[in-house]
Amino acid sequence: DQQVKQNSPSLSVQEGRISILNCDYTNSMFDYFLWYKKYPAEGPTFLISISSIKDKNEDGRFTVFLNKSAKHLSLHIVPSQPGDSAVYFCAASITGNQFYFGTGTSLTVIP
Amino acid sequence: DAGVTQSPTHLIKTRGQHVTLRCSPISGHKSVSWYQQVLGQGPQFIFQYYEKEERGRGNFPDRFSARQFPNYSSELNVNALLLGDSALYLCASSWREDTQYFGPGTRLTVL
Repeated sequence: DQQVKQNSPSLSVQEGRISILNCDYTNSMFDYFLWYKKYPAEGPTFLISISSIKDKNEDGRFTVFLNKSAKHLSLHIVPSQPGDSAVYFCAASITGNQFYFGTGTSLTVIP
Repeated sequence: DAGVTQSPTHLIKTRGQHVTLRCSPISGHKSVSWYQQVLGQGPQFIFQYYEKEERGRGNFPDRFSARQFPNYSSELNVNALLLGDSALYLCASSWREDTQYFGPGTRLTVL
């Protein structure tokens, strides 16, 4: 039973444009959401998080939006750079305990 | 500052054997979680430990066990290995609910 879903397995974006990665969840009890970037043969790298009391969080080029009514999360990367090419995972948890991960979206930023 | 470290980096075992994976969290982090990631999927939660106590357990058989030591390092043990246990095993440490930092993982191959 997949409680966190990333329905787009891949995304290609031109350098300098916006990348939007989407994530949907089913459990309304989730209150912490994280985004990770993963390169092959490495562990996931933490990017940005948001708690359910917020609807937006920014950190440099990365912004996460949370729509609780739609149970939808998105990560915006502006401007996209070739070094952003990686697999991106969203994750959700209740009170920071067990995190449920999506299946990932492979982002390719084309120079 | 040193990140999360895991050992070994790679491991090859045969069916029926036992394996022990090790993890050292970031200094000051008291919580350690273990995840299994198979190809094409997101990480799946196995265990979380906080202050040496098990806080959560995912949907894994009793062949999987873990413990946390007084210095907050942790071990994951898997008995009676099956081919399906071949995966990347990730350890994550945290000090608050909205972040988890992952190590590079241990690649386990079961032949």
